[in-house]
Formats: sequence, C-alpha cells, structure tokens
Amino acid sequence: GDSVTQMEGPVTLSEEAFLTINCTYTATGYPSLFWYVQYPGEGLQLLLKATKADDKGSNKGFEATYRKETTSFHLEKGSVQVSDSAVYFCALRGNQGGKLIFGQGTELSVKP
Amino acid sequence: SQTIHQWPATLVQPVGSPLSLECTVEGTSNPNLYWYRQAAGRGLQLLFYSIGIGQISSEVPQNLSASRPQDRQFILSSKKLLLSDSGFYLCAWHHLRGNYGYTFGSGTRLTVV
Repeated sequence: GDSVTQMEGPVTLSEEAFLTINCTYTATGYPSLFWYVQYPGEGLQLLLKATKADDKGSNKGFEATYRKETTSFHLEKGSVQVSDSAVYFCALRGNQGGKLIFGQGTELSVKP
Repeated sequence: SQTIHQWPATLVQPVGSPLSLECTVEGTSNPNLYWYRQAAGRGLQLLFYSIGIGQISSEVPQNLSASRPQDRQFILSSKKLLLSDSGFYLCAWHHLRGNYGYTFGSGTRLTVV
C-alpha cells in the first residue's frame, strides 16, 4: 500500500541555518504530495503542496519539489527562524482521491 | 469560507467514564470527515472516516466509536474510557473533488486519569 517515510527527528538548528527534512513515498500512479506543520498544542496546518511531477510547492519561505524519479518531496528553507519550531508532516493522497497517508512527523527545534 | 470547529479543547476524564467529542464544519456540504489520534510519539493514527451521513469506516479496532448524525457533524465517542485513550484528537475534512489536502480542527487534548 501507499506509504510515506520521513527523516527521524528531532532536528535542532540555529537561527538562520539551512533546513532540509527528507520525505520519500511509495505509491502507485501519481499521488498529490503535501507538507503540514503543527505548532505546539495546535492542529495541523497545510504548509504547501504539489500535485504533479516537477511541481514546486512554496509558502512562508519553505519549498518542496515533487521528484517522481526519486519518489521524494524534501522540505527546504534557506534560513530558519525560532518561530519555525514545530512538527512537520509529509503526506500523500493517491490519484484516486481519498485518504491522506501521513509520515511519522519530524520535530524541528530552532535555537536563537 | 469554510471553517471547522472542535470542542472541547481540553478534557480530563476518569477511567471508565464516557466520552463525546464533537466536530462541525461550516461553509461546505457533503464533506469527507476524519478523526485522527496523535499519541505521545507524534504520529497520526486515522481512527474513523465518513463519506456521508450515517456512513462510518473504522480503521483500527479500539474502544472508540464514531457517528455522523448530520452532514457536517462528526462525533467521537466512548462508553468507557481507558488510560490508553489519552492523546490529542484531531478532526479533519476535505472534499473528494479537487486536489486539496485536509483542513484540520484545532484538536482536543484528552487525558484519562
């Protein structure tokens, strides 16, 4: 079945450092891919998405490119801030619609 | 615009007591609705989903049940809570049409004592 694998956390960075959170997936066909962010004590918010190969999703300085050849959707940000501290979830939704499949989440902690 | 509401935000309940968590969606019709639980390890576990009134699919066997009495209302229940039911419960919705992700509620923190 479809699945999503994220890099293990926690990830601890200093402010203004470069961020990469790896995400790879297994799915048939061409799923849509998503990154969600969860700030402490809150629900999940959609951060960005990409619906077809080579699409780049971007929002709030974060980017992720849908790579069909490597089945990846890595999240990147050039310069993180303390306010980016949160848990980040990669997810996919199959091309037939339906349920989102989530990765296990990666906790990011940014220190001043 | 569409909004999703969950309540209560926090709840402390004794073992063996009943549970009722409510989720409602506004500004849309015939949404797909979902209940997730997030335990201490941060992962999201899909508990139930519903594609219409009275239609409930259960993903994992457990002490909980779900109901959808109205198009935009989704209720998570238990007759007798267990300690292991503690966690952060999230409701979400989306429309089957369109390549959109889910919209999540703000969650309910349940502590069973």
